[in-house]
Amino acid sequence: NAGVMQNPRHLVRRRGQEARLRCSPMKGHSHVYWYRQLPEEGLKFMVYLQKENIIDESGMPKERFSAEFPKEGPSILRIQQVVRGDSAAYFCASSPPTDSNQPQHFGDGTRLSIL
Amino acid sequence: GENVGLHLPTLSVQEGDNSIINCAYSNSASDYFIWYKQESGKGPQFIIDIRSNMDKRQGQRVTVLLNKTVKHLSLQIAATQPGDSAVYFCAETSRYTGFQKLVFGTGTRLLVSP
Repeated sequence: NAGVMQNPRHLVRRRGQEARLRCSPMKGHSHVYWYRQLPEEGLKFMVYLQKENIIDESGMPKERFSAEFPKEGPSILRIQQVVRGDSAAYFCASSPPTDSNQPQHFGDGTRLSIL
Repeated sequence: GENVGLHLPTLSVQEGDNSIINCAYSNSASDYFIWYKQESGKGPQFIIDIRSNMDKRQGQRVTVLLNKTVKHLSLQIAATQPGDSAVYFCAETSRYTGFQKLVFGTGTRLLVSP
């Protein structure tokens, strides 16, 4: 499967714990994006990363949320001290290294549930 | 702008009918548009895209129309099949954000009856 891979598919955490969501982009793609989706709503942009760089984090909450895309390995979205309101589906997308318009391709998401 | 809704608008059609899903966008600077299909429990799947220098683009069974004057986008699906049942989202972006930040519409649920 050469698509965007996300894991875990489902993650359950208790309030106050940490959640780590992983994303491996499509082969050849060096741009990674994270989006959040609440039920019955569209996806909301969170952050855009290239290898070892955060390019645009205008959609990230100011506290508790962080993202990275290291030189080696998957991109990680980290949520510290989770609260009930963090329950959502988190989607990762990737695109090729180009400045022209290219569609982003999405993974199947991680469904985060906070108890 | 942001679109928040408690219930998705729903379009119900019979198998074999043509479907038209509409989307209004708010940012006049947007110049690249994408339609995505999202099935239950899955991520958005790319269907078709269109640049602002075009007003129509066709794919296999799908056509996207863009009216920049009224900031309106539509997706036409010919001979709709039960497998087309899903939620459809339009997304917009612009060269001013490097085409990197997608803004999604509210979405429309398409229900196809056999």
